Amino acid sequence: GAGVSQSPSNKVTEKGKDVELRCDPISGHTALYWYRQSLGQGLEFLIYFQGNSAPDKSGLPSDRFSAERTGGSVSTLTIQRTQQEDSAVYLCASSFPRESPLHFGNGTRLTVT
Amino acid sequence: SQQGEEDPQALSIQEGENATMNCSYKTSINNLQWYRQNSGRGLVHLILIRSNEREKHSGRLRVTLDTSKKSSSLLITASRAADTASYFCATDSGGYQKVTFGTGTKLQVIP
Repeated sequence: GAGVSQSPSNKVTEKGKDVELRCDPISGHTALYWYRQSLGQGLEFLIYFQGNSAPDKSGLPSDRFSAERTGGSVSTLTIQRTQQEDSAVYLCASSFPRESPLHFGNGTRLTVT
Repeated sequence: SQQGEEDPQALSIQEGENATMNCSYKTSINNLQWYRQNSGRGLVHLILIRSNEREKHSGRLRVTLDTSKKSSSLLITASRAADTASYFCATDSGGYQKVTFGTGTKLQVIP
């Protein structure tokens, strides 16, 4: 597709369940970012990929959060044993080359009940 | 952690007026970008200014950068109701391409 695609667009899950969020970046974009945005707040950096490697994982809130990227393309953000405070919109963005704008997907709204 | 902080947090103006929002950041940067967000979902890129640039224009947007003060401003001239949105600054700093966002300014333009 022409833009960054995220799925699902909405996810409701019970506390304690695991969830997987998917991001399909723009073809050829080597950099991929995950951010989290709580209601009315700014964007919290989670993790950044350059190709398949993640030079910076410092934003992942806890060891319940993990992310991978395969084939320099699709990325998956996994949250294990979800908690209510994990409820937020998870945004993915991709870019190429260096110093070019980030292109965002429409996000996944995660609600943990 | 947030690299940048926008000021004000919220701004309400009449259509036709100019809107100015400011961004301060903490560490040296490679470039600074401004984004707009409607309805709490995906962000749209507005303008990028490099660390060796001081001012940049794009349509009704004017961005300034003062690296000595670690601050930037975004000016929207002749505002329209459609400009109502949240505006974020983002900085690219460090040896690799880590981009972090500020806290955002919520702009309301009243018709």
